[in-house]
Amino acid sequence: EPEVTQTPSHQVTQMGQEVILRCVPISNHLYFYWYRQILGQKVEFLVSFYNNEISEKSEIFDDQFSVERPDGSNFTLKIRSTKLEDSAMYFCASREGTGQLIKFYTFGSGTRLTVV
Amino acid sequence: SQELEQSPQSLIVQEGKNLTINCTSSKTLYGLYWYKQKYGEGLIFLMMLQKGGEEKSHEKITAKLDEKKQQSSLHITASQPSHAGIYLCGADSGGGADGLTFGKGTHLIIQP
Repeated sequence: EPEVTQTPSHQVTQMGQEVILRCVPISNHLYFYWYRQILGQKVEFLVSFYNNEISEKSEIFDDQFSVERPDGSNFTLKIRSTKLEDSAMYFCASREGTGQLIKFYTFGSGTRLTVV
Repeated sequence: SQELEQSPQSLIVQEGKNLTINCTSSKTLYGLYWYKQKYGEGLIFLMMLQKGGEEKSHEKITAKLDEKKQQSSLHITASQPSHAGIYLCGADSGGGADGLTFGKGTHLIIQP
């Protein structure tokens, strides 16, 4: 069964450093997402991406964050100047573009980011 | 913005017993998704409901969406240790908005 692949599974970084989280969505999917889950809290929507641009973003997704689809397969989340409160599990998701009413999202296994 | 409230927050059930988890939305649901998460791991898709009154089953798990499309329930029959985990409901708020809003989750523990 097709999967959304995220790398790395764990990342430890020093406060102030930049990190890039990588995702390979399912190949025929057209919509891509990043979500965040701080330990013990709910999964929160960060951003959606379609047709090589951001289609929606939440209040969390400020200038510290950026997304990119550098080639035909990868979808990345860059966090600049990381803060302690950026420590969380980051999930990538994708879905097909067929129809607006029925949306099937596939989630990756997540990248656990720890900022020290 | 849409809010999803799940109840209970946590649940301890003896193996073999039935249980129900609820998810209530502050707005009409255009799509309601149930996911399961092992603590600290990824989200596993269980079911998606769209129509008022819809009910879906997979193995021992049944999910329903009420007629008014503001509440969903997830029912597990004859619970097993493999059912343990965190159950999340997610909502598609429609109106052209993309992405899902999630509830805080229900932590299910199965006691042998």
